[in-house]
Amino acid sequence: DAKTTQPPSMDCAEGRAANLPCNHSTISGNEYVYWYRQIHSQGPQYIIHGLKNNETNEMASLIITEDRKSSTLILPHATLRDTAVYYCIVRVLSSNDYKLSFGAGTTVTVRA
Amino acid sequence: NAGVTQTPKFQVLKTGQSMTLQCAQDMNHNSMYWYRQDPGMGLRLIYYSASEGTTDKGEVPNGYNVSRLNKREFSLRLESAAPSQTSVYFCASSEALHQGARSNTEAFFGQGTRLTVV
Repeated sequence: DAKTTQPPSMDCAEGRAANLPCNHSTISGNEYVYWYRQIHSQGPQYIIHGLKNNETNEMASLIITEDRKSSTLILPHATLRDTAVYYCIVRVLSSNDYKLSFGAGTTVTVRA
Repeated sequence: NAGVTQTPKFQVLKTGQSMTLQCAQDMNHNSMYWYRQDPGMGLRLIYYSASEGTTDKGEVPNGYNVSRLNKREFSLRLESAAPSQTSVYFCASSEALHQGARSNTEAFFGQGTRLTVV
């Protein structure tokens, strides 16, 4: 799986959009971008994933650059409950590769 | 729907003791995973199982063994616990992607087992 680079931490004001960057410059054509988050002491929670098109669900939006070397997770209206560690992962999805590895992630603190 | 269930939630072991961490999922997923998370660190993959009957080493397999008992259950065993194995252990499961199709492949995690080895 391609390596990802995320800033170690970032702050966000409550009610504002939080934009979380992720660099994956060595991503290959068959690797998807996944985002998870981990709220203190709990198991990680899936947020969203995509291949090359922008994606949106009830939790967030995922913007992937045209060259796919970076992406941004957008939390449109951050709340205090969004304070968590956010992990960006790239992984191949195939019948021969099931490995799922996490990096250090970005610690996001939403402030009132 | 319970999702991924881990037992026990907390455990204290003495150095050299053995124990098995249990994990079960009720989502009919093919793939299951074991991770450890040390304080202030990210998750590190210990072992994973692509499907029933198969297991593979992850990033930090030393000191651990696993058993994929059936499709539902994936256990992690510490044969001789060491203080360095003090950590929070997470189990996860996900569906496998069939070639050419894009299915729901997100992983679901249990709530963790907090293990202290003294």
